[in-house]
Amino acid sequence: EVQLVESGGGLVKPGGSLRLSCAASGFTFSSYSMNWVRQAPGKGLEWVSSITSSSSYIYYADSVKGRFTISRDNAKNSLYLQMNSLRAEDTAVYYCARDLLSTDIVGYAYWGQGTLVTVSS
Amino acid sequence: DIVMTQSPDSLAVSLGERATINCKSSQSVLYSSTNKNYLAWYQQKPGHPPKLLIYWASTRESGVPDRFSGSGSGTDFTLTISSLQAEDVAVYYCQQHYNTPRTFGQGTKVEIK
Repeated sequence: EVQLVESGGGLVKPGGSLRLSCAASGFTFSSYSMNWVRQAPGKGLEWVSSITSSSSYIYYADSVKGRFTISRDNAKNSLYLQMNSLRAEDTAVYYCARDLLSTDIVGYAYWGQGTLVTVSS
Repeated sequence: DIVMTQSPDSLAVSLGERATINCKSSQSVLYSSTNKNYLAWYQQKPGHPPKLLIYWASTRESGVPDRFSGSGSGTDFTLTISSLQAEDVAVYYCQQHYNTPRTFGQGTKVEIK
């Protein structure tokens, strides 16, 4: 069974940093692109970042470019999101998500339960 | 960036009736080399992560009831729930996977009338 478990969320002051982690199990982690998607309270879904299976290609939303860094450790079956210079508008539930297919990017079939990041003084 | 616009923002449908949600992309999400539309639909219930319903615009994900169907090509897409059930109350999102950023629509809330 595919499982994705996020951790690392919490309350942080504006300008602060957090590192989110996503522990993956139940599939060959090194074969799949991985993604972060966030959802502000009461709002819609926002794609944040994606990383290909071997970390060859990395993509970011403009809203986080230069402040967030996605990475992965295939030996540890883990995905990370380093978030620096946090702003109030980064407050959201952050989801780790796996693509359905290892061979094509068609949709996110597996999601964690999310970790809440609150940026407030 | 490809802008995804859903309509309506919300709709109320009687149990057993049809619900139709539209999604329009600001540019085509059809890859000519594969003849596939890189458009996915998700269902999200309160307090839960999204669930993938449809990919490639019309391919139902495994385990998704056949009352859910997707159609469309290029820039205009539709998610249809043929006979609304109580458990279908949720917010539905479209997302394009044609390029990055992998933009979502703003969501459509489906309720029971």
